[in-house]
Amino acid sequence: ELKVEQNPLFLSMQEGKNYTIYCNYSTTSDRLYWYRQDPGKSLESLFVLLSNGAVKQEGRLMASLDTKARLSTLHITAAVHDLSATYFCARDRPNDYKLSFGAGTTVTVRA
Amino acid sequence: DVKVTQSSRYLVKRTGEKVFLECVQDMDHENMFWYRQDPGLGLRLIYFSYDVKMKEKGDIPEGYSVSREKKERFSLILESASTNQTSMYLCASTVTGLSYNEQFFGPGTRLTVL
Repeated sequence: ELKVEQNPLFLSMQEGKNYTIYCNYSTTSDRLYWYRQDPGKSLESLFVLLSNGAVKQEGRLMASLDTKARLSTLHITAAVHDLSATYFCARDRPNDYKLSFGAGTTVTVRA
Repeated sequence: DVKVTQSSRYLVKRTGEKVFLECVQDMDHENMFWYRQDPGLGLRLIYFSYDVKMKEKGDIPEGYSVSREKKERFSLILESASTNQTSMYLCASTVTGLSYNEQFFGPGTRLTVL
């Protein structure tokens, strides 16, 4: 069974500090996606990681992919309030256009 | 930019009613998806369509059906709404032919069944 597990599920961040969200998945995949969802809103694509060792950065967010470990990380540098949201990782299903999503990590950044 | 729109942001229906949720995308994408999102459960795939008039069941199709008569439009139908179908419904689309399957999402419809 294909599983995508995120941890933690809830993350309370202090402004200015660094944090990491982990995404583990079963079975090998070269492609991993990160999405952001603001409360009451839809999902917005953040990163598409397409190979082992891929690293992408946008502002205070950096995502990486280790396909051998079946692990992707989303690193947040110097958290700010605007980053409060729920973050989802997702991976392709084999030979398919469908994605399997993790349960999401709800991030709250406090002063 | 890809634009995916959904017919309603909020909908309140009564148990037993037939409910239609509409999704339209403007980027000529072949693949369209319907998900429901519930707290702690992430996104669960209800139905998927890879072409006009083609559909495939997702992980939780029970109680739902779909229709895709035109490439840009994918409808989710609740034949007889029940309270356990109260949820946020998200539509998404993606193009065929790329090496990856980045999905683009609509704004969502929050459905309440009373």
